[in-house]
Amino acid sequence: DVVLTQTPPTLLATIGQSVSISCRSSQSLLHSNGNTYLNWLLQRTGQSPQPLIYLVSKLESGVPNRFSGSGSGTDFTLKISGVEAEDLGVYYCMQFTHYPFTFGSGTKLEIK
Amino acid sequence: EVKLLESGGGLVQPGGSMRLSCAASGFTFTDFYMNWIRQPAGKAPEWLGFIRNKANGYTTEYNPSVKGRFTISRDNTQNMLYLQMNTLRAEDTATYYCASWELPYWGQGVMVTVSS
Repeated sequence: DVVLTQTPPTLLATIGQSVSISCRSSQSLLHSNGNTYLNWLLQRTGQSPQPLIYLVSKLESGVPNRFSGSGSGTDFTLKISGVEAEDLGVYYCMQFTHYPFTFGSGTKLEIK
Repeated sequence: EVKLLESGGGLVQPGGSMRLSCAASGFTFTDFYMNWIRQPAGKAPEWLGFIRNKANGYTTEYNPSVKGRFTISRDNTQNMLYLQMNTLRAEDTATYYCASWELPYWGQGVMVTVSS
């Protein structure tokens, strides 16, 4: 199975600070069709995961543009440019290039 | 408005069976692949499998971790997705979600507890 390693496991940020989360894959996530199926999700406490980014860098509809995604191959990054209070929760990367689809272990964003 | 509403969870004894349902509305159900994912408390989600859309013959793919014990099906006349779970174990205890990556949308989840 593809292992997605997220760092850091916990992130403590102040409002307005910019932060980054890393997601490293044990295999390249470049599919034979040319797409890289790496998504980012946010799970707020007590809620189901909410999709934020798909295909590495494309924002889902309604997601604020302070969120951005980048990367290729095995190294990916989610950046939040100016953290807001509503951004707290656990961030997961997930891949669906290879079966079985897998999720990272999560990064918990806490607000100072 | 897209909605996915899971139901059918609860307490089941080890070795027992349970069927989860997911009621879909607000979109053309037959156009979309549908996934089941579970998440033990405090842990990362685990993908269980999906069932393809009409254009791809409603075929299925499973995570080897549950293949042979879990079965995904759909009733396209009722816009319903199902997860049949057999020979349940304590480690199957989790919140179970139905979801579509393409919509994109996850249901609110339903809890399954496997315990004697």
